[in-house]
Amino acid sequence: NAGVTQTPKFRVLKTGQSMTLLCAQDMNHEYMYWYRQDPGMGLRLIHYSVGEGTTAKGEVPDGYNVSRLKKQNFLLGLESAAPSQTSVYFCASSRATTSDTQYFGPGTRLTVL
Amino acid sequence: GNSVTQMEGPVTLSEEAFLTINCTYTATGYPSLFWYVQYPGEGLQLLLKATKADDKGSNKGFEATYRKETTSFHLEKGSVQVSDSAVYFCALTRNTGGFKTIFGAGTRLFVKA
Repeated sequence: NAGVTQTPKFRVLKTGQSMTLLCAQDMNHEYMYWYRQDPGMGLRLIHYSVGEGTTAKGEVPDGYNVSRLKKQNFLLGLESAAPSQTSVYFCASSRATTSDTQYFGPGTRLTVL
Repeated sequence: GNSVTQMEGPVTLSEEAFLTINCTYTATGYPSLFWYVQYPGEGLQLLLKATKADDKGSNKGFEATYRKETTSFHLEKGSVQVSDSAVYFCALTRNTGGFKTIFGAGTRLFVKA
């Protein structure tokens, strides 16, 4: 049981380049989330999904797009990376209740030069 | 709006000392409250949670009580160990007016032998 996995673990981009971060979960969870973690700011929700084929904006969605074509996968895209998107990105999943635990992946460290 | 405020760190303690990390929140309705822990190089993992007023969450010697009258969810442990060194995040989740999870900024704990 792998839980939540993320690829890649590290990535360096140049300003203006694009990339996709992949999140996969094997727990049959309905809800999936993308967060970014920056020093002194905790985690901020970028986008989330409450089921296959659905997505919604979180607290800081600008500059990111997401897709949930399959229940187990949640993709985060950066179309034109900016230095302000340098961060650690975490994916998480949970069952379909707000009182439920979120299970986090190990994170992706992204640097945009 | 909704918010979570937790004490700034780092907190440095000697082994077997008593730990308190304060957390207060602002939210309408009845949020669920969580403490997550992040060990170096890893994603967050649930430490404990409480879903209604006066509930006490507990795990691995840590405890926190949901206090609606003081809007607090302080984390305590009677005797810390070196292995407790990590970053601790207080969080709330509610689904009124759209799903929302809010994390505090995190408190780093160092425990010295």
